[in-house]
Amino acid sequence: AQSVTQPDIHITVSEGASLELRCNYSYGATPYLFWYVQSPGQGLQLLLKYFSGDTLVQGIKGFEAEFKRSQSSFNLRKPSVHWSDAAEYFCAPHFGNEKLTFGTGTRLTIIP
Amino acid sequence: DTGVSQDPRHKITKRGQNVTFRCDPISEHNRLYWYRQTLGQGPEFLTYFQNEAQLEKSRLLSDRFSAERPKGSFSTLEIQRTEQGDSAMYLCASSEPPDRGLWAGELFFGEGSRLTVL
Repeated sequence: AQSVTQPDIHITVSEGASLELRCNYSYGATPYLFWYVQSPGQGLQLLLKYFSGDTLVQGIKGFEAEFKRSQSSFNLRKPSVHWSDAAEYFCAPHFGNEKLTFGTGTRLTIIP
Repeated sequence: DTGVSQDPRHKITKRGQNVTFRCDPISEHNRLYWYRQTLGQGPEFLTYFQNEAQLEKSRLLSDRFSAERPKGSFSTLEIQRTEQGDSAMYLCASSEPPDRGLWAGELFFGEGSRLTVL
């Protein structure tokens, strides 16, 4: 069965600290992988995507993600968070079925 | 360049009433998707169109829900006889067509239409 898991419902980090948000998937092949961010009251904005090739992908707003085939993971990272990064983050694989499947999301809170 | 636009942004209605949401996709995108998002959850797929053809409907889309895209441009999502459980954010997204039969999967979302059923 195809599934995506974001184990952390809520993460709190201090401004300037590093961040890692976890995403794991279950699928018989390597899916296309996406991370989206949703600020309060806003739609979803694409942060970055992985199709193939280099397993470390760079995105907007200083985010990056690393695909690890052996762990079926696609974790999102940022070296130093800013207060404006407070938002909900969604991992969304494309399992070859013409739509994205979204995880339940991780809510990020930034402490000044 | 305009992105995906949705109307209305907010709708409050009484149980049993009908509501309709409209989505205008990015003009060169031939695919249009509807998702539903409830509080604390990720978006859940409802249906999608390629041009005017509705190619897939989720089991979440009960008989009270109907979506159309009559001319392959804007789309409407109608909910008849609304129930309190229909309260959610309804998200529309569009994407470029498949390239040589392969869909890349990148969706461009509107800001959503929030429905509250009293």
